Amino acid sequence: GAGVSQSPSNKVTEKGKDVELRCDPISGHTALYWYRQRLGQGLEFLIYFQGNSAPDKSGLPSDRFSAERTGESVSTLTIQRTQQEDSAVYLCASSFLTRSETQYFGPGTRLLVL
Amino acid sequence: AQSVAQPEDQVNVAEGNPLTVKCTYSVSGNPYLFWYVQYPNRGLQFLLKYITGDNLVKGSYGFEAEFNKSQTSFHLKKPSALVSDSALYFCAVRAHSGGGADGLTFGKGTHLIIQP
Repeated sequence: GAGVSQSPSNKVTEKGKDVELRCDPISGHTALYWYRQRLGQGLEFLIYFQGNSAPDKSGLPSDRFSAERTGESVSTLTIQRTQQEDSAVYLCASSFLTRSETQYFGPGTRLLVL
Repeated sequence: AQSVAQPEDQVNVAEGNPLTVKCTYSVSGNPYLFWYVQYPNRGLQFLLKYITGDNLVKGSYGFEAEFNKSQTSFHLKKPSALVSDSALYFCAVRAHSGGGADGLTFGKGTHLIIQP
């Protein structure tokens, strides 16, 4: 079956603009995660969805970041008033619900803020 | 707070030799442990995980990892390296329960370079 897909694959924007990143999880996966990978760094957890609700928003770096998920399917990560430090690869992952389940990652969206 | 340390930024191994990529972790309670591999301009691919039971876990592409609770380690190993194993490897941890973060906590990654 299809894996996790993300769009766009690349996004270049100007400082101060808003961007929306999209994630399509694997069908049937209730859990969905967003991570950020800065150049030369490991992955940084941003937010977790259990179905449509987000019990853990602790990783969102500022109130400029928000995310939503509709219909236990597609999720969007929105960054408002982008800053240069937001430049990174944003990765989405999905899994079944239990904590031991493997998270499967999409190819990521490479965001560059000029 | 939970954390993962991958003490080597880069590991160089000759093709055909055994390889080890080191990982130690800190977590409250029992851990779930994962290894992922990332090829250039690609997403992360799952290699293997430890949940419970046998401390030696076997995964994709001939890789294995050994869970050592006393040393809080989960080193990745392969008996005979291939040039195609060259990539960036990430170790990650998640607590079983008890308020641990819902996301995985990743190490900074280790570049594995296999020389022909």
